[in-house]
Amino acid sequence: AQSVTQLGSHVSVSEGALVLLRCNYSSSVPPYLFWYVQYPNQGLQLLLKYTTGATLVKGINGFEAEFKKSETSFHLTKPSAHMSDAAEYFCAVSALTGANNLFFGTGTRLTVIP
Amino acid sequence: DGGITQSPKYLFRKEGQNVTLSCEQNLNHDAMYWYRQDPGQGLRLIYYSQIVNDFQKGDIAEGYSVSREKKESFPLTVTSAQKNPTAFYLCATERVAGGLYEQFFGPGTRLTVL
Repeated sequence: AQSVTQLGSHVSVSEGALVLLRCNYSSSVPPYLFWYVQYPNQGLQLLLKYTTGATLVKGINGFEAEFKKSETSFHLTKPSAHMSDAAEYFCAVSALTGANNLFFGTGTRLTVIP
Repeated sequence: DGGITQSPKYLFRKEGQNVTLSCEQNLNHDAMYWYRQDPGQGLRLIYYSQIVNDFQKGDIAEGYSVSREKKESFPLTVTSAQKNPTAFYLCATERVAGGLYEQFFGPGTRLTVL
């Protein structure tokens, strides 16, 4: 079975500061991992995904995430926060096979302070 | 312009009324999903359909119904049996490529019960 835990429902950073959003997963099989972003009253947009291969994954808008199997983590980072990064971020995990297999975390709301 | 369309964007319902939320896609994806989003709870799966004329209940199907008469369309009806329907509803499609199941989201419909 798969599950995701996002530590911190709210994170605030100053503009220009490092963004770190935490995600830990549980999976009985090698996982696929995703980060989605949601702006107010909009759908979810895929930021980046890990499937296999390189453990450091780069996504859109300057975000990246590193898959650490030993820590069962897939934390999302961005070196310098921008006001436009203020949104809700969801981590999700799926197994290698099977539909209806995407499990979401409860989300982290990022606030960027000018 | 390819993508997923949800309508209406905002919907108001009186208690005791059924309402239908529209979801249309031109991505040619077989599988479609309906999620409900409440603050602090992430996304919860209502129904999903992997193929035309077939659908399965998700985690919170009570008080909802769906149909899948066409590949492009997956409407969700919120019935009067749903006791707390005020929420943000998201439709998604799923692409399968190389064993990876990847979901794409529509812009959402916000339903408010008056």
